[in-house]
Amino acid sequence: QVQLQQSGPELVKPGASVKISCKASGYSFTSYYIHWVKQRPGQGLEWIGWIFPGSGNTKYNEKFKGKATLTADTSSSTAYMQLSSLTSEDSAVYFCARTYYGSFYFDYWGQGTTLTVSS
Amino acid sequence: ETTVTQSPASLSVATGEKVTIRCITSTDIDDDMNWYQQKPGEPPKLLISEGNTLRPGVPSRFSSSGYGTDFVFTIENTLSEDVADYYCLQSDNMPLTFGSGTKLEIK
Repeated sequence: QVQLQQSGPELVKPGASVKISCKASGYSFTSYYIHWVKQRPGQGLEWIGWIFPGSGNTKYNEKFKGKATLTADTSSSTAYMQLSSLTSEDSAVYFCARTYYGSFYFDYWGQGTTLTVSS
Repeated sequence: ETTVTQSPASLSVATGEKVTIRCITSTDIDDDMNWYQQKPGEPPKLLISEGNTLRPGVPSRFSSSGYGTDFVFTIENTLSEDVADYYCLQSDNMPLTFGSGTKLEIK
């Protein structure tokens, strides 16, 4: 069955960086986009960007350019999102989710990774 | 960027009643609207995808309609298990954008 397993919660100091992982299983990792979505406590959902592991191509929401960097390792079927220069505004739950090539609705999601930025 | 305006922000209904949620987009997105249900501590779950397509395993009391800029999501005969937040997502163009969400409670 399709699974996206994310790394555990993170507590990071302001100004630091963090790298969150999303390990895929149960499908062809290189045939689907992996997206990242941000959800602040009690808030809605924000799309950060996607990576297509089959080519390494990426697309970012302008709002997150310079903040998020998306990579993927096809040998381990794992996608990563690095967030840099962290502030309290980056404290949120981050989800990875997949879409099939040619469509852009998320059919499977990871369980979410909680990031807390605090000194 | 396509802005998605979702209403209402919250609603409270009795079990068995009908729920209607609306999303209006700032640009024409054909039928590229999707609907998600999110329960506390869980990721969103896809209920309806582009073209008003009910996903496999999703109860038929969930439905949607709309094309262009005006979209409606409906729950017939609401059950207590439907308590959740509901979001629409436009998948027509980048950046992908979500509605602000609707919190559904049962009276």
